[in-house]
Amino acid sequence: EAQVTQNPRYLITVTGKKLTVTCSQNMNHEYMSWYRQDPGLGLRQIYYSMNVEVTDKGDVPEGYKVSRKEKRNFPLILESPSPNQTSLYFCASSFGGTGETIQYFGAGTRLSVL
Amino acid sequence: QKEVEQNSGPLSVPEGAIASLNCTYSDRGSQSFFWYRQYSGKSPELIMFIYSNGDKEDGRFTAQLNKASQYVSLLIRDSQPSDSATYLCAVSGRGSTLGRLYFGRGTQLTVWP
Repeated sequence: EAQVTQNPRYLITVTGKKLTVTCSQNMNHEYMSWYRQDPGLGLRQIYYSMNVEVTDKGDVPEGYKVSRKEKRNFPLILESPSPNQTSLYFCASSFGGTGETIQYFGAGTRLSVL
Repeated sequence: QKEVEQNSGPLSVPEGAIASLNCTYSDRGSQSFFWYRQYSGKSPELIMFIYSNGDKEDGRFTAQLNKASQYVSLLIRDSQPSDSATYLCAVSGRGSTLGRLYFGRGTQLTVWP
């Protein structure tokens, strides 16, 4: 089954404690991205990756890191989480590069930073 | 920064009515347009995409694109309570941002029985 898998689905942590949210896709997609979603603000892109070892900032990259060492995986790293990073996070993937950018989303990770 | 604007809503229609959702975008060169549906707390799911001017129909859904006016809409015919969700308009990037999607803030639709 084609899917984008995020883990964990729910996470409660404390300020400053490093965390990683994993994302994996089994569709051989080149393009992967991370979004956060907050009430009234819609989906905002954090980082995206066009292929292995190619990443770029989205609209709200501050406080986040990513890496793309393998095509299927695109982890999101919060080195020192803060309460303003409490949000619903989505990973997405697509073939990309041709304009046919139908993105498939993971189930989401709800993060609370206390 | 590419802008994607949606009618703010919320939109409320009775069961069986036509729901009309609208979206405008700022980049005249945009090529691909998408409508996603998102239930509360769930991930967005693609319901329609359109690349060419005109109408595209899929069951009860019709997407309409007018590139000259930089306008894309979604019509839902015979609306059902199960259509109650937030609808997200998305526009693809181009050139150096090919592969990116730019989302509007969404329009919340409620279909009442």
